[in-house]
Amino acid sequence: DIQLTQSPSFLSASVGDRVTITCRASQGISSYLAWFQQKPGKAPNLLIYAASTLQSGVPSRFSGSGSGAEFTLTISSLQPEDFATYYCQQVNSYPITFGGGTKVEIK
Amino acid sequence: EVHLVESGGDLVQPGGSLRLSCTASGFTFSDHYMDWVRQAPGKGLEWVGRSRNKANSYTTEYAASVKGRFTISRDDSKNSLYLQMNSLKTDDTAVYYCIRPEVRGRNEQYFDHWGQGTLVTVSS
Repeated sequence: DIQLTQSPSFLSASVGDRVTITCRASQGISSYLAWFQQKPGKAPNLLIYAASTLQSGVPSRFSGSGSGAEFTLTISSLQPEDFATYYCQQVNSYPITFGGGTKVEIK
Repeated sequence: EVHLVESGGDLVQPGGSLRLSCTASGFTFSDHYMDWVRQAPGKGLEWVGRSRNKANSYTTEYAASVKGRFTISRDDSKNSLYLQMNSLKTDDTAVYYCIRPEVRGRNEQYFDHWGQGTLVTVSS
């Protein structure tokens, strides 16, 4: 199974900050990676797919990069509505797996 | 608009069984793969399994943690996906989400449509 390790697991930041979350895969997954945002009590929301493609309707302050085994999600200027938990997911092979999550909280 | 509604979540004793349903609308159900993902209280996301579409003979895939205990099926005539859960354990306690993924690129399925989830509690 492909393990996804996210770092950090917890992040405290201020509105306007640039935030970067890393996801490392235990083996190469090409660009078959997605990023999700989840708010309490809600289903996850797809932000980025194919490592760097912005899902329709997602603000352009979100961006993704990477390929192979190392990926990043960047929020260029953190907004109040961005405080949430973020997950990466690989769809390269079965079983599909998720990272452990990164909780972004207000400093 | 794609709409997914899960139902069937309940309190069940360890060793018991439960069947979840997901009713879909807003798209041609038989054309699409469908997935289940779960989330234990306060924990992360765990993929449970997948039903491929009619064109791929409705074949299924499962996570190791549920293989042999859970069965995914579908009834395209009812636009419905099911998750039959047997031999339930306390570790199966979670919100269960139904997902309709979207094909991007070569044939990758990205999880862009989620239901609201249904809570399964396994406890004595």
